[in-house]
Parts: sequence; C-alpha cells; structure tokens
Amino acid sequence: QKEVEQNSGPLSVPEGAIASLNCTYSDRGSQSFFWYRQYSGKSPELIMFIYSNGDKEDGRFTAQLNKASQYVSLLIRDSQPSDSATYLCAVNRNFGNEKLTFGTGTRLTIIP
Amino acid sequence: EPEVTQTPSHQVTQMGQEVILRCVPISNHLYFYWYRQILGQKVEFLVSFYNNEISEKSEIFDDQFSVERPDGSNFTLKIRSTKLEDSAMYFCASRTVRTEAFFGQGTRLTVV
Repeated sequence: QKEVEQNSGPLSVPEGAIASLNCTYSDRGSQSFFWYRQYSGKSPELIMFIYSNGDKEDGRFTAQLNKASQYVSLLIRDSQPSDSATYLCAVNRNFGNEKLTFGTGTRLTIIP
Repeated sequence: EPEVTQTPSHQVTQMGQEVILRCVPISNHLYFYWYRQILGQKVEFLVSFYNNEISEKSEIFDDQFSVERPDGSNFTLKIRSTKLEDSAMYFCASRTVRTEAFFGQGTRLTVV
C-alpha cells in the first residue's frame, strides 16, 4: 500500500511566524510532489510542486524535498490568517498520466 | 482564467438510485480524473481517463461506477445504484502533459 503520511494537526501558528508542514511517503518510485491547500468544503488548490531534491521558493512558500529520506515539507513565511486551511501533500510517480496519492492533510490555524 | 466546472454543486439522491455527475474540463486538457473525499477523510483517486478510455482505476471504482466523455467537452461519472457510503465530495480534475492537475469545485453527493 503506497502511503502518504501527514500529521493531522491542528497546527497553530501565530500570525507573522513561520508555519512548517511535513509529509513522508512510502513509494520510492514517487517523482513529483505537490502541496495543495483546501479550505473547508472547497476543492484542493495547488500551491506548489517540486520534483528535484532541495528547496523551491515561490513568494512566502518554500517546498523542500529529500528523496533519500522520503520527506517533503512546506514552509509558509509571514503566516496570515488567510493561510488557515488544511494542507494536503500529494505524490505521483511521474508528471504524466499518473494519479495523485494524497495524505490526510494537516489542519493549520494562524492565530491573529 | 480557465477552470474545471462541475455540476451540480450538491445532489441528494435516494439509496439505489442512479446519479450522473458532470464535469467540463479545461478545453485543451487531455487527462481527466475523478477523485472523491468522504467527509473528514483524505482525497482518494477513483479513475483516470485518456484518449477516450480508462487509464487506471482504483479498487473503489467497481462495476457500479462508469465514466464517459460523450462529446468533446463533458466528462461524466455515473453511479448506477447508490449506496449510503457513496456520500462524499466528488472532484473532477484535468491536466495536460506538462501541467499539474486542476480541480473543479466539486459535487457534494448525499445518499439518503
């Protein structure tokens, strides 16, 4: 069973601080890694994807990938109340037709 | 900005009835997916569709489920005889070879 594991939270972070979200995956064949944000009752919205080891930055968001450790993380700098949501980690084996395998998500609350 | 459109947004049906969930993927996309999310649980892959045929399906996608692309724009999911446990949010997604998957806003299916 190919699994994606996330701490379900809730994770509470003060406004303006850095939120750190973590994800591990079991399938060593995974090649592409995605972070989605999901507000309650809404659909997943892509924040970032990464497929090379190291860091990838996009505005306040940084994704970090370590394939040897089968670990991917998302850092949110200068956290805002609007960042309060569930963050879903998803992986697939390639960037082609492959399905996404999702984790259960981490619920993040930014405290004003 | 192009988006994946799903209808209806909410459907209530009686157990044993057939339902059809409709999706209009982004026009130049080639790969189509259905996912579902039972309340409080993770997003689960149901089926992928490419070149007018199913590419992959999960264990959830049994004989009660079918997909169709009846014309150049719509992509439908049919559940022949709904069960209580089919109650969930159903998400359609589409992508090209080089892009990530874009999700529709979902259809909330309630089986009573």
